[in-house]
Amino acid sequence: QSALTQPPSASGSPGQSVTISCTGTSSDVGGYNYVSWYQQHPGKAPKLMIYEVSKRPSGVPDRFSGSKSGNTASLTVSGLQAEDEADYYCSSYAGSNNFYVFGTGTKVTVL
Amino acid sequence: EVQLVESGGGLVQPGGSLRLSCAASGFTFSSYWMHWVRQAPGKGLVWVSRINSDGSSTSYADSVKGRFTISRDNAKNTLYLQMNSLRAEDTAVYYCARDRVPYYYDSLDVWGQGTTVTVSS
Repeated sequence: QSALTQPPSASGSPGQSVTISCTGTSSDVGGYNYVSWYQQHPGKAPKLMIYEVSKRPSGVPDRFSGSKSGNTASLTVSGLQAEDEADYYCSSYAGSNNFYVFGTGTKVTVL
Repeated sequence: EVQLVESGGGLVQPGGSLRLSCAASGFTFSSYWMHWVRQAPGKGLVWVSRINSDGSSTSYADSVKGRFTISRDNAKNTLYLQMNSLRAEDTAVYYCARDRVPYYYDSLDVWGQGTTVTVSS
């Protein structure tokens, strides 16, 4: 099972928006609505930011939003803040054998 | 407080074995599917293995199939990962994580702090 494809980096100034893409196949992203996004600060454990493509767990700011079209999912961070600077990983359910596949990761820099 | 705490990591020689543990607290452990996810130094997250709520069903990434065994003891609220025939490429921080939805899979909403495994001679 190959990793989902994300751009290595993305950046924006405070207050701007940044969108990260996550491209898979019909066997993962395109086949299920179990796409999730995780934020990871250096040396820390990942944190769930989006589940089921577009839903936010309690406590996650509504600046974070998710969507999906075909085999590509996207995470948008609006109104960028300094604390949003982190690595972001998408993930998708990929069937009962491979289960979850993660993306290659995107480093978001707040300029 | 919902919490996962991993232990058991360390330095091991190639071909050696190690058993990781993940102690759960603050939730009904026996209701949730559990996973192991690893992250090699400077690299991304990689799903390793999962086990269903009663331990009757497991899955593994191809890279660890036949070498790693996931198990759980619901009476002790503990998840395990037995790692045999370790290779240098198994060097990583290993996280245990909980599926968000009881008795099902969806996404990983609770993560431990990770335990480091280093395979080197």
